Amino acid sequence: GAVVSQHPSRVICKSGTSVKIECRSLDFQATTMFWYRQFPKQSLMLMATSNEGSKATYEQGVEKDKFLINHASLTLSTLTVTSAHPEDSSFYICSARVAPPNEQFFGPGTRLTVL
Amino acid sequence: KQEVTQIPAALSVPEGENLVLNCSFTDSAIYNLQWFRQDPGKGLTSLLLIQSSQREQTSGRLNASLDKSSGRSTLYIAASQPGDSATYLCAVIWSGGSNYKLTFGKGTLLTVNP
Repeated sequence: GAVVSQHPSRVICKSGTSVKIECRSLDFQATTMFWYRQFPKQSLMLMATSNEGSKATYEQGVEKDKFLINHASLTLSTLTVTSAHPEDSSFYICSARVAPPNEQFFGPGTRLTVL
Repeated sequence: KQEVTQIPAALSVPEGENLVLNCSFTDSAIYNLQWFRQDPGKGLTSLLLIQSSQREQTSGRLNASLDKSSGRSTLYIAASQPGDSATYLCAVIWSGGSNYKLTFGKGTLLTVNP
């Protein structure tokens, strides 16, 4: 299957700083990528849909000014958590859509810990 | 509301046993359905994709079926091994939606005991 990478895999930062997470499709082009967060022992929660060359579409309740998404190329989307606070600590996972048949492939995730 | 449900939440079986994981969805107008596995602290690995026009897909020891009329999918694992221990997630893309978003069930935590 298609390969999706994320960087970094783990980040620890102080409260108030901004953190950027990269999501790359390594062997295919993805016009659409998705960003999820996952709390311990819970399923994935979709945060936003990232379309190449256009603004991201955010799910209800997700602050677009806090979670900045940029999808500047067909192989790279970035999620920036601005002014991070301890409640933003979570596991962030991205996915990329291969169309057709619109199958999604997921990255390995990024563990964010805000002190 | 469009929802995906997985039962049971957890399952423990002895090695070698054949098993079935269940997934149900509230709206039969689906575009496709994917089964994933997630190991602790890791991302998701796509196992099988069933498109709306298909009834089943097979990969190795895994077989997934789809019955849209009853709103159900099953994942059959043959001759289970300890390495199959993981959380299995079912996810649906509904027809008519935008951006082909996945809706996930909460998963089944499978433990295969040696």
